Amino acid sequence: DAGITQSPRHKVTETGTPVTLRCHQTENHRYMYWYRQDPGHGLRLIHYSYGVKDTDKGEVSDGYSVSRSKTEDFLLTLESATSSQTSVYFCAISEGNLQGAEQYFGPGTRLTVT
Amino acid sequence: AQSVTQPDIHITVSEGASLELRCNYSYGATPYLFWYVQSPGQGLQLLLKYFSGDTLVQGIKGFEAEFKRSQSSFNLRKPSVHWSDAAEYFCAVGAPMDSSYKLIFGSGTRLLVRP
Repeated sequence: DAGITQSPRHKVTETGTPVTLRCHQTENHRYMYWYRQDPGHGLRLIHYSYGVKDTDKGEVSDGYSVSRSKTEDFLLTLESATSSQTSVYFCAISEGNLQGAEQYFGPGTRLTVT
Repeated sequence: AQSVTQPDIHITVSEGASLELRCNYSYGATPYLFWYVQSPGQGLQLLLKYFSGDTLVQGIKGFEAEFKRSQSSFNLRKPSVHWSDAAEYFCAVGAPMDSSYKLIFGSGTRLLVRP
C-alpha cells in the first residue's frame, strides 16, 4: 500500500469555524490531490498540487484553500466551515501528470459540520 | 463535457455467481479508464486501468474489464464472486488539467453478496 496518512480521521466542528485537514505521504510523489466524496456524486476534485508551493483549483474549490510547504504534506483548509462541507475527504498522490498515471488514495477523513 | 455514468446504484449477486458492473463514459479523445473499489470505511484501491493496447484488461482480485470504444463502455467483470467482494465500485476517466490531470468518477455501484 502507498504510504499515505490523513489526519484527523474523524472530526466534528461547528459552522463558521476554521478546519485544517492534513495529508502526509512517504512516497516522495510530486502530485497530490484533495477530493470530496458525497452520496450520488462519486469523488470530486477540490484542489491539487504539482509541486512544493504549486497548487491549483479543481472543480469544487469554493470555500477551500490548500498549502504545500513540503513534498510530503498537503493541507486542506476550510476557512469558515458550512454544513454543505460535511463530507468524506480523500487525499491522493501520483508520480506523474499523465492521464494514465495511477492515483493512490489515503484512508479518508470524515468531517461533520453542525 | 467529460463524464462517467454507472447506471446501477446497487447490485446483489449470490456468492459464486458471475458479476458485471456497467460503466459508460463520455470523452472526446482516447480515454484513460480506471476501476476502483472501496470497502466500508476505507479508501479507494485501484483494481485495474486501461490506456491503450489490448481492450481486455486484467486486474487484481480476479477482476477484468473490457473497453468497447463503439459503445463507450468499460464494464467490470468477475466470473465467480466471493463474499469479500461486497464493496462499492467506482469507474473513472482521467481528464487533463493545466498542470496535471484529474479523475472524473461515476457515482458508484454498491455490490451486495448473498451467501
